[in-house]
Amino acid sequence: DQQVKQNSPSLSVQEGRISILNCDYTNSMFDYFLWYKKYPAEGPTFLISISSIKDKNEDGRFTVFLNKSAKHLSLHIVPSQPGDSAVYFCAACTSGTYKYIFGTGTRLKVLA
Amino acid sequence: DSGVTQTPKHLITATGQRVTLRCSPRSGDLSVYWYQQSLDQGLQFLIQYYNGEERAKGNILERFSAQQFPDLHSELNLSSLELGDSALYFCASSDPGTGAYEQYFGPGTRLTVT
Repeated sequence: DQQVKQNSPSLSVQEGRISILNCDYTNSMFDYFLWYKKYPAEGPTFLISISSIKDKNEDGRFTVFLNKSAKHLSLHIVPSQPGDSAVYFCAACTSGTYKYIFGTGTRLKVLA
Repeated sequence: DSGVTQTPKHLITATGQRVTLRCSPRSGDLSVYWYQQSLDQGLQFLIQYYNGEERAKGNILERFSAQQFPDLHSELNLSSLELGDSALYFCASSDPGTGAYEQYFGPGTRLTVT
């Protein structure tokens, strides 16, 4: 039972344009969500997070949107840069449990 | 550099064998997590330790065990290895005491079972 789903295995975007990565979850108990970026041969790196009490969180070029009713979150990267090319994982947890469920990842390729 | 170290970086062993993977968390982080990433899969949460005690358990096989030592480093023991155990194993650390949920990952150990 995949509680966190990233239905797009890959995405290609032109440099300078917006990248939108999507993530869906099924467990309504999840109330904290995170995005990680992973380069080959490295561990995932924390990017941005959002609590369920918010519907948007912004950090520089990265914005995460949360739609609780649809159990959907998205990561927007504007403008996209070639260095953003990586695999992006979304993760969810229930606060206090520290038990994280990760999606299968979306490979983003930003074309120069 | 996340500050989390994992050794060894690569490990090749045969079916039926036992291996130990080691992780040192970021300075000050009390919590350690272990994840398994098989080919084209997401990260599967295995187990979490907090200050030496098991805090949460995921889909960890009975052949696998872990512990966190007083100096906060952690070891993941994998025994009776099978071909399907070949994967990347990541360790992550965090400091739940700060209320922060972000985890910091090590570079991983690639295990190949032949």
